[in-house]
Amino acid sequence: QITLKESGPTLVKPTQTLTLTCTFSGFSLSTSGVGVGWIRQPPGKALEWLALIYWDDDKRYSPSLKSRLTITKDTSKNQVVLTMTNMDPVDTATYYCAHSSVAAAVFDYWGQGTLVTVSS
Amino acid sequence: QSALTQPASVSGSPGQSITISCTGTSSDVGGYNYVSWYQQHPGKAPKLMIYEVSNRPSGVPDRFSGSKSGNTASLTISGLQAEDEADYYCSSYTSSSTVVFGGGTKLTVL
Repeated sequence: QITLKESGPTLVKPTQTLTLTCTFSGFSLSTSGVGVGWIRQPPGKALEWLALIYWDDDKRYSPSLKSRLTITKDTSKNQVVLTMTNMDPVDTATYYCAHSSVAAAVFDYWGQGTLVTVSS
Repeated sequence: QSALTQPASVSGSPGQSITISCTGTSSDVGGYNYVSWYQQHPGKAPKLMIYEVSNRPSGVPDRFSGSKSGNTASLTISGLQAEDEADYYCSSYTSSSTVVFGGGTKLTVL
């Protein structure tokens, strides 16, 4: 079965760079059509899509955050890494990674999420 | 890209039907049949309920259905049950090959 799990710091200081890792099992990111995305959700607020990386290394970013985001994959380790620079308290949120393959931009399996707090 | 527009809240009694709308533009909802719907219970990760406007993943009850007309997609839940009380989010593929979510709708089962 497909599982994903996010890991990374729970607390970062303003201006620091956040690095989150998504470790997955049950699928390969070298299989045609497969992708892994990142979505975040501030406390009590809506979901916000951040980035998506595909099996062929095609990468897509949220236009509003593109300058701060980098998404990479390590197929041999079954991991996807998201980095976000210049963190701010408004970036406090639960960050989810999710699997995509059933159709374009559809996330059919999600990790449990990891809460990241930005505070000095 | 702007978030898709959803009503903040909807409500219904057990057994009734409700519909949640999701309005975008011709660059997202109206331009592609790549609208999805997610259900999220408090403290839980979202769950895919509908993809490609009207397709249900395996295991999703057929009480859940989706449709689209122009720039507005809709999620209908018939035979409302207490367990359906949750937040619902729509999302769409966009002309920039990105993804946009809606602002979310809180469903209350009275």
